[in-house]
Amino acid sequence: EVLLVESGGGLVKPGGSLRLSCAASGFTFSDYTMTWVRQAPGKGLEWVSSVSSGGGYTFYAESMKGRFTISRDNAKNSLFLQLHSLRAEDTAVYYCARIGEVTFDYWGQGTLVTVSS
Amino acid sequence: NFMLTQPHSVSGSPGKTVTISCTCSSGSIASNYVQWYQQRPGSAPTTVIYEDNKRPSGVPDRFSGSIDSSSNSASLTISGLKTEDEADYFCQSYDTNTYWLFGGGTKLTVL
Repeated sequence: EVLLVESGGGLVKPGGSLRLSCAASGFTFSDYTMTWVRQAPGKGLEWVSSVSSGGGYTFYAESMKGRFTISRDNAKNSLFLQLHSLRAEDTAVYYCARIGEVTFDYWGQGTLVTVSS
Repeated sequence: NFMLTQPHSVSGSPGKTVTISCTCSSGSIASNYVQWYQQRPGSAPTTVIYEDNKRPSGVPDRFSGSIDSSSNSASLTISGLKTEDEADYFCQSYDTNTYWLFGGGTKLTVL
């Protein structure tokens, strides 16, 4: 069974940093592009960032470029998202998802990041 | 800018059919596959349609997807509506400049 479990969310002050993690199991992690998608309270889904299967290629939504860094450790079946210079509008549930051939085919349950003073 | 536009909400009665549209703002909707995700309150999204019109295993054939090049839009049609279909639905596609993109989402109410 494919499982994606996020952790690392919490309350952080504006301008602060946070590191999110996603532990993967049930599939060959190193074979898949992985992604982070976020959802602000009561809002829609927003793609944040993706990393290729080997970690050599990374992609970011324009509004997150320069503030967020995606990475992965294939030896530990783990995906990460480092968040810097956080703003109130970054408050959201952050989902880890696997990208199949074209679709986000498996999702974690999400971790909540709240940016507030 | 590449954008996917969905109606904010749709509704239908049990047993009826509803269609949710997803209109592409620039380029051709047919250039990249469209996926549809269902999200029930408090849960993560799940795929109901991928590659424009394919259903993952376990998704009932009441769900179907299509592409209309003349209106540059994709559609998700749900027939034989059930109360369990009440959820938010998001279309998603890909653009070489903006990469992965979601539509704003449509709230389906089953009356």
